[in-house]
Amino acid sequence: DAGITQSPRHKVTETGTPVTLRCHQTENHRYMYWYRQDPGHGLRLIHYSYGVKDTDKGEVSDGYSVSRSKTEDFLLTLESATSSQTSVYFCAISGTGDEQYFGPGTRLTVT
Amino acid sequence: AQSVTQPDIHITVSEGASLELRCNYSYGATPYLFWYVQSPGQGLQLLLKYFSGDTLVQGIKGFEAEFKRSQSSFNLRKPSVHWSDAAEYFCAVGAKGTYKYIFGTGTRLKVLA
Repeated sequence: DAGITQSPRHKVTETGTPVTLRCHQTENHRYMYWYRQDPGHGLRLIHYSYGVKDTDKGEVSDGYSVSRSKTEDFLLTLESATSSQTSVYFCAISGTGDEQYFGPGTRLTVT
Repeated sequence: AQSVTQPDIHITVSEGASLELRCNYSYGATPYLFWYVQSPGQGLQLLLKYFSGDTLVQGIKGFEAEFKRSQSSFNLRKPSVHWSDAAEYFCAVGAKGTYKYIFGTGTRLKVLA
């Protein structure tokens, strides 16, 4: 399995609070991605990174920001969490940009 | 518009029976195609991929998929299902140089003993 960890694995937070999720890889892969998974929607891309400090928006980026200050870490921040952001968040990595490998996920509940 | 359709939300098969999960896509460029499997509470595991060449691709766990350009399909098959195959299966499409996928909404497989 690809060396990808996500932290925390579970989090409960209140509406309006900031939340940061971390993805850490040991594969030295160039590309990193954040997805959210919701019933009936499959996986939807939030943001992705194609190198250190190089990021771009996905299809559901509103309310989310990301940062990548070093190759191994990709952070997803919810500036002010809302109940609609309750979801399971997955990080993925790719060496070539062609095939992706996924982390174990973070279950976030916003109350 | 680019999209991936998995028409079957749920499928139930008996252990030992054959399986086919459907995936249709709409994509402007020559597609890269993928199947992933997700067990409950787990991340997604890559089962197989198609980039080019032979349209019948073999994957892990005894799965195979066939790319049919004329039908815009990439159906996943397994000749004999095991109880451990119960999971959710996702089809995804991408393209060289785009670095991004589009996922289908998934098919949940239930296996009867």
